Amino acid sequence: EIVLTQSPGTLSLSPGERATLSCRASQSVSSSYLAWYQQKPGQAPRLLIYGASSRATGIPDRFSGSGSGTDFTLTISRLEPEDFAVYYCQQYGSSPPFGGGTKVEIK
Amino acid sequence: EVQLVESGGGLVKPGGSLRLSCAASGFTFSSYSMNWVRQAPGKGLEWVSSISSSSSYIYYADSVKGRFTISRDNAKNSLYLQMNSLRAEDTAVYYCARVYYDSSGYCFDYWGQGTLVTVSS
Repeated sequence: EIVLTQSPGTLSLSPGERATLSCRASQSVSSSYLAWYQQKPGQAPRLLIYGASSRATGIPDRFSGSGSGTDFTLTISRLEPEDFAVYYCQQYGSSPPFGGGTKVEIK
Repeated sequence: EVQLVESGGGLVKPGGSLRLSCAASGFTFSSYSMNWVRQAPGKGLEWVSSISSSSSYIYYADSVKGRFTISRDNAKNSLYLQMNSLRAEDTAVYYCARVYYDSSGYCFDYWGQGTLVTVSS
């Protein structure tokens, strides 16, 4: 069983600031299977990044993903008001596949 | 336009049953693996079950194994989740999600809006 641990649990930032979200796996995982999702209250999750670093269709380039092995990062270069949400990493094909989430809130 | 629309949620007593449906449109449903993912109130995402495009491969989370059954009807472009022996801890919004993959990797690229299942006496 591979467990994904996301940190921090909550990130308090101001619009325009840079956000760095971490996803750490309990053992090495393939970058091909690592994805990131954004979820706003009352909405379904939205795919942001897959294959650890490939942006999904229509995702702004302020969102970027990086990492390999056990450590992966989602970076939002300059926070826009619509970016305040909860973010989940996912290891496709494993159980459980989702990390616990990081909430990015307005400071 | 890809659309996934869940239905069938509602209030059910512990021990009861419910069948969820997910109607797909805007893509060739029979070519894609599909999943059910749930989210308890105020909690994170929990994968529930997956089914391959031809139903050859089916997987379940330990928490639902033996109680839930995933199925699909490619002729009707529909995905189903039969939920039996429901428990209070099954209370959640249930999402269906499509699997996408290319040379970069795998992911759930489209999600439905979700349907709420409440298990309570």
